[in-house]
Amino acid sequence: AAGVIQSPRHLIKEKRETATLKCYPIPRHDTVYWYQQGPGQDPQFLISFYEKMQSDKGSIPDRFSAQQFSDYHSELNMSSLELGDSALYFCASSLQNTEAFFGQGTRLTVV
Amino acid sequence: QKEVEQNSGPLSVPEGAIASLNCTYSDRGSQSFFWYRQYSGKSPELIMFIYSNGDKEDGRFTAQLNKASQYVSLLIRDSQPSDSATYLCAVTIFRGGYQKVTFGIGTKLQVIP
Repeated sequence: AAGVIQSPRHLIKEKRETATLKCYPIPRHDTVYWYQQGPGQDPQFLISFYEKMQSDKGSIPDRFSAQQFSDYHSELNMSSLELGDSALYFCASSLQNTEAFFGQGTRLTVV
Repeated sequence: QKEVEQNSGPLSVPEGAIASLNCTYSDRGSQSFFWYRQYSGKSPELIMFIYSNGDKEDGRFTAQLNKASQYVSLLIRDSQPSDSATYLCAVTIFRGGYQKVTFGIGTKLQVIP
């Protein structure tokens, strides 16, 4: 069965650079979520989209933005990167009121 | 108060024993409850979900939900070393017409051979 696809799997950026993470949800899923997980921490909700519209916003810095495109894939754009942005970034997708399935994640390292 | 609370552990159990993981949530409007297993550096993997009060069994796993007391638990019978992981409790609520999924901090389980 198709799963949530994230790319790239690993990314190394320097401070103040920009990064773009991509997420391709499970076909026919209408909701996409982005989470950030630092070492030893629980996933922190960043932002979600329902049918290509932003549906909820969590602890997402102003330096970050995201959108969902007509083909339902989503991109998380991160600018002016800081060392503290180094984390695992997970994308998940679901149908409304059902379980969320996670992608493999993108490990971002800011040096 | 966090929306979803879990004891971070570690919870250590001997191989073959029952591991009991607990989670409480603060919003009485919460509708759906999930348990995810996460190995270090990997993405969370869904192992159980429960919507109604009572027990739900799937193999060695049993999820228990008590909405009146606002807790959900996960029992793992015949624990195996391969069960050693962090178990995340997730709760969904509807806000503004949209579903929001909130995670607990996760409980680290160690199964000792």
